[in-house]
Amino acid sequence: NAGVMQNPRHLVRRRGQEARLRCSPVKGHSHVYWYRQLPEEGLKFMVYLQKENIIDESGMPKERFSAEFPKEGPSILRIQQVVRGDSAAYFCASSPGGSYGYTFGSGTRLTVV
Amino acid sequence: GIQVEQSPPDLILQEGANSTLRCNFSDSVNNLQWFHQNPWGQLINLFYIPSGTKQNGRLSATTVATERYSLLYISSSQTTDSGVYFCAVEGLGGGSNYKLTFGKGTLLTVNP
Repeated sequence: NAGVMQNPRHLVRRRGQEARLRCSPVKGHSHVYWYRQLPEEGLKFMVYLQKENIIDESGMPKERFSAEFPKEGPSILRIQQVVRGDSAAYFCASSPGGSYGYTFGSGTRLTVV
Repeated sequence: GIQVEQSPPDLILQEGANSTLRCNFSDSVNNLQWFHQNPWGQLINLFYIPSGTKQNGRLSATTVATERYSLLYISSSQTTDSGVYFCAVEGLGGGSNYKLTFGKGTLLTVNP
């Protein structure tokens, strides 16, 4: 039973390019969450999605960032026109809903050069 | 929103020593989890423990929800225990549910 799978593990982008981060939740989990860990900081909530729905995106920057969790396939976090300040580790978590805790992936480390 | 404070911020141990990490939180919680972020950056779930006591090998955790704190015990520490330990809580409602709020972590270094 695989856990949360994130890819790629490392991603390097030049300023102005697009970054696409993928997350496949634990099999059977229909709730997906994205968190960002900036250097020297703890993890901060970005967005909560269920299949085909964004439930809460209050932690996600209003511009350049978007997230989706389609009916089929992984959840995608997209960052357009990346800037150096977007360099961070991005973690995805999933849950079955209810009070069962959250399972985190190994993260994607984005470096913008 | 809910506040999470972890102590100590840094801890250096000799292999074989025991340690206790503390997590205080400012409001009632629906969920509390302890994580270990290893030197490679991976985030590993240690315990889901909104209340009570759990043990897993050399690690155990206790949450006293009524007094709003949790403790993580590491016994007979090993060098592979090094990394950052995070406590994260999920509030009961009012926009806090389903969002984990993380503490700033305890950086543990275990020397051989």
